[in-house]
Amino acid sequence: DAKTTQPPSMDCAEGRAANLPCNHSTISGNEYVYWYRQIHSQGPQYIIHGLKNNETNEMASLIITEDRKSSTLILPHATLRDTAVYYCIVRVPNNAGNMLTFGGGTRLMVKP
Amino acid sequence: AAGVIQSPRHLIKEKRETATLKCYPIPRHDTVYWYQQGPGQDPQFLISFYEKMQSDKGSIPDRFSAQQFSDYHSELNMSSLELGDSALYFCASRRTGGTQETQYFGPGTRLLVL
Repeated sequence: DAKTTQPPSMDCAEGRAANLPCNHSTISGNEYVYWYRQIHSQGPQYIIHGLKNNETNEMASLIITEDRKSSTLILPHATLRDTAVYYCIVRVPNNAGNMLTFGGGTRLMVKP
Repeated sequence: AAGVIQSPRHLIKEKRETATLKCYPIPRHDTVYWYQQGPGQDPQFLISFYEKMQSDKGSIPDRFSAQQFSDYHSELNMSSLELGDSALYFCASRRTGGTQETQYFGPGTRLLVL
């Protein structure tokens, strides 16, 4: 799986958009970008994933650059409950094992 | 919607004792994963099962074993417990062939070894 780089921490004001960047410059053509988050001591939670097109669901939007070397997860109106560690994971779906490799992540603190 | 169920939620054991953690996947999910998360660390993959067969193995100690049963639930057996085994243990499940191929995590079992 391709290596990813995320800032270790970010702050965001409640009600504002939170934009979490991820660099994955060595991503290969068949690798998807997945985002998970972990609220303190809870099980990681799937947020969104994409290959090359921008994606949106009820939780967030995912913007992937045209060269696919970086992406941004957008929480449009952050709430205090969005305070969590956000993991960007690049991987090939359906590959052998399919385990997730969590590394680093961004600790997002949403402040009132 | 049904989620992944793990039991027990909390467990306290002495060194050298054994522990069994249980995981009940989301209905119709055929793959189960186990992860360990030590204090201040990221979750680390231990082992996974697909259709009751071990599908992959990560950094699981030899003292640990696991299996998946015919009803797809899984158990992680831990023997000769050490202080360093104190951690959160997460189970995740997935349905192969689904459109998202995503893993859904349970709430975890917090194991404390004294």
